[in-house]
Order: sequence, then structure tokens, then C-alpha cells
Amino acid sequence: GENVEQHPSTLSVQEGDSAVIKCTYSDSASNYFPWYKQELGKRPQLIIDIRSNVGEKKDQRIAVTLNKTAKHFSLHITETQPEDSAVYFCAASSNFGNEKLTFGTGTRLTIIP
Amino acid sequence: GAVVSQHPSWVICKSGTSVKIECRSLDFQATTMFWYRQFPKQSLMLMATSNEGSKATYEQGVEKDKFLINHASLTLSTLTVTSAHPEDSSFYICSAREQGVPGTQYFGPGTRLLVL
Repeated sequence: GENVEQHPSTLSVQEGDSAVIKCTYSDSASNYFPWYKQELGKRPQLIIDIRSNVGEKKDQRIAVTLNKTAKHFSLHITETQPEDSAVYFCAASSNFGNEKLTFGTGTRLTIIP
Repeated sequence: GAVVSQHPSWVICKSGTSVKIECRSLDFQATTMFWYRQFPKQSLMLMATSNEGSKATYEQGVEKDKFLINHASLTLSTLTVTSAHPEDSSFYICSAREQGVPGTQYFGPGTRLLVL
């Protein structure tokens, strides 16, 4: 089955600086890669996703890059703000079967004012 | 965007009782729903995949007789934790995938279960 690794587990960034979180996956059949933001006690919120037919996607301060050859994808947050503090999860799934998501272990991002 | 509700939001029960959690897709039809469990400071662990009108598919290590799943309609799936024990205390979250839309899952707000 799919295995997703995520690094770092914790990340502290000065407000205004950029944050980068990296994930690798093992199953070459995976073709959908979402990123979720989860605040304490809340549901995971989809913040951006990318499919394997593109290499990069951007939405305002958030961007995701995908390298299919190396089987890794990254989340980039620019001009970080205190409200970006949360736990971020990457995930991977394929179009086959039930399309279940395999999650990374999460990154606790803290923005230092 | 697509909205998924979950009920109850929290429940406290005595050891040995059963607890039912409902997951509803409010503005879309979901042929597939997923049930996750999340322990404190850990990632989401998939427990089972629930397909409308058929038996759920359980992940390895998840007891199907303990965690009963029913997906009777395109908008409702239920998870029943039978004979709950303190080690079942966790945050249970469902998600739903919109019919015809590959990949994207929308999560419910979660149910915090505490078994005394």
C-alpha cells in the first residue's frame, strides 16, 4: 500500500517569512495530492491540492509543487501570518479503487509574531 | 463548498455501552464515505471505507464487529462503536467524496468520544 512521509514534524517561522513542508510517497499509481490544515480540535480543511498532470499550483500565498519522478511534493506558504499556525497534513491517493487518502504524519507550524 | 456534518460532536459514555456517530453530506451525494480515528498529536488513521449500499471495507487491524458501519443512503453513513472501552476514546472524523468528483474529500467536524 501507499506510504507517505512528511517533514519536518515541527516548524517555527518568523512572521512574514516563508514556510516549506515536504512529503514523499511510495506508490507510483498515486495521482492526487491534497494538503489539509487542522487547527486544534477542528476538522481538517482542504487548503490546496494538485493532480499528477501538473507540476505546480498556486493560490495566493499558498503553492504546491509536485515531482512525479522523485515522488515528492511540497507545500509553500509565503508571507506567513499568525493565523497560519496549525498542523498541516499532506496526503496521497489514486483514482483506482475507493480512492482512499493516505496521510502524512503532520507538521506543526508555529508562526512567531 | 461541500459541507459534511457529524453528530454528536462529543460523547461521554460508560465502558461497555455502544455509541453511534452519524455522518451526513448536506449539499451533495456521496457514494463513498471514510471513517478516521485521530489520537492526540497524531495523524488521521483510516479505519474503513463506507460505500453506499454495500459492505464497508475495513483497514488492517480494525475490528469490523466492534466498529459497525452502515451507509444506507447517498448522504448518510453511521459508525457504531460497540461495547466501548477506555482505549476507544479518540477523535472520530468522517469524510465524504462527492459522486463523480475524483479524489477530493470533505471532512466532518469530528466526534470526540470519551469512554469512562
